[in-house]
Amino acid sequence: GQQVMQIPQYQHVQEGEDFTTYCNSSTTLSNIQWYKQRPGGHPVFLIQLVKSGEVKKQKRLTFQFGEAKKNSSLHITATQTTDVGTYFCAGCSNYQLIWGAGTKLIIKP
Amino acid sequence: EPEVTQTPSHQVTQMGQEVILRCVPISNHLYFYWYRQILGQKVEFLVSFYNNEISEKSEIFDDQFSVERPDGSNFTLKIRSTKLEDSAMYFCASSTGQGIYEQYFGPGTRLTVT
Repeated sequence: GQQVMQIPQYQHVQEGEDFTTYCNSSTTLSNIQWYKQRPGGHPVFLIQLVKSGEVKKQKRLTFQFGEAKKNSSLHITATQTTDVGTYFCAGCSNYQLIWGAGTKLIIKP
Repeated sequence: EPEVTQTPSHQVTQMGQEVILRCVPISNHLYFYWYRQILGQKVEFLVSFYNNEISEKSEIFDDQFSVERPDGSNFTLKIRSTKLEDSAMYFCASSTGQGIYEQYFGPGTRLTVT
């Protein structure tokens, strides 16, 4: 079946370092959404990418959608403690969202 | 800001019992979803519901599960004959449309099967 692979599963960073998570789909997606889940919370929508090669920014977060619409990435510059949580991508194919496994951002003490 | 609500926040049940998890989606939304998240793991799609019928369901959503919109506001997930492995957080979500529309998640119901 259709899958969205997301890596890495965890990323430990020092506060101030950058963080990146990657998603790859086995099929071409119509769009991709990104969600953030804080510890103990529920997923919250961050952004949606629709166009091939699209890049969107939200402050320190940069989201990219690949030219073939099969991969996407989220990059956080200069992480802060408020960025802690799990970031999920969810690719849309045939009107169904297929979720990646998530990347957990952990700030080293 | 409108939000999705879920009750109860935590449900403890014995193996073999039936549970009903309740959700009130955002009032003008048309699509409703149930997801499951086993502790520390990925969000797993269970089912989507539109126009009073199931529009999509995953392999997880077998005969043990059913969904219903008993009135104009509630959306329920029934799990029959619960098993230990059904212990998880269950999230309800809703959206105005399908696919390209963002989904709004409720706070979840933590189900513990003992």
